[in-house]
Amino acid sequence: AQSVTQLGSHVSVSEGALVLLRCNYSSSVPPYLFWYVQYPNQGLQLLLKYTTGATLVKGINGFEAEFKKSETSFHLTKPSAHMSDAAEYFCALSGSARQLTFGSGTQLTVLP
Amino acid sequence: NAGVTQTPKFQVLKTGQSMTLQCAQDMNHEYMSWYRQDPGMGLRLIHYSVGAGITDQGEVPNGYNVSRSTTEDFPLRLLSAAPSQTSVYFCASTEQGVSGNTIYFGEGSWLTVV
Repeated sequence: AQSVTQLGSHVSVSEGALVLLRCNYSSSVPPYLFWYVQYPNQGLQLLLKYTTGATLVKGINGFEAEFKKSETSFHLTKPSAHMSDAAEYFCALSGSARQLTFGSGTQLTVLP
Repeated sequence: NAGVTQTPKFQVLKTGQSMTLQCAQDMNHEYMSWYRQDPGMGLRLIHYSVGAGITDQGEVPNGYNVSRSTTEDFPLRLLSAAPSQTSVYFCASTEQGVSGNTIYFGEGSWLTVV
């Protein structure tokens, strides 16, 4: 069985501040990990993914995430938040199967 | 470069009505799936297909039927809609790569059952 836990259903940061969205996972096999972003009334856009190799993964829009096997974590960060980053973010895991197990999502609010 | 195309984008149904959500992909992917998204619950897998003629249940299959007659199309059917099926539905198509799988999502279908 596999699961994804996103800590904090709502996160608020000031514009220009660090963004940190937390994701922990449980998987009995080496995981593939993903972060998706969803803007209101839109579909899911892939931000970045970890499969194998380098544990620090860079994605679009200045986001990056680090895979830490010892902590079973895959936290998403961005050094400086922008107003356009306000959205809902989903962490997801794919184990041996080709479907995804999603976390419950984190709504990011960026304050001016 | 259409990717994954879902229709309709918005639909209102009455309880007991039936409807089909259409999904098509032009990337020749074998694996396709349907998810539903509900507030605070992320996305949950309804049904999936590993190729034409093969389908299987996901986490929340009750009340939904699927079929896969071609590689391109994977429609989701609600035979008798219930208010509990009010949700946002996403179709997905998976590309298998050497460095892992990439899942492509459609734009979503917002369904309200009254």
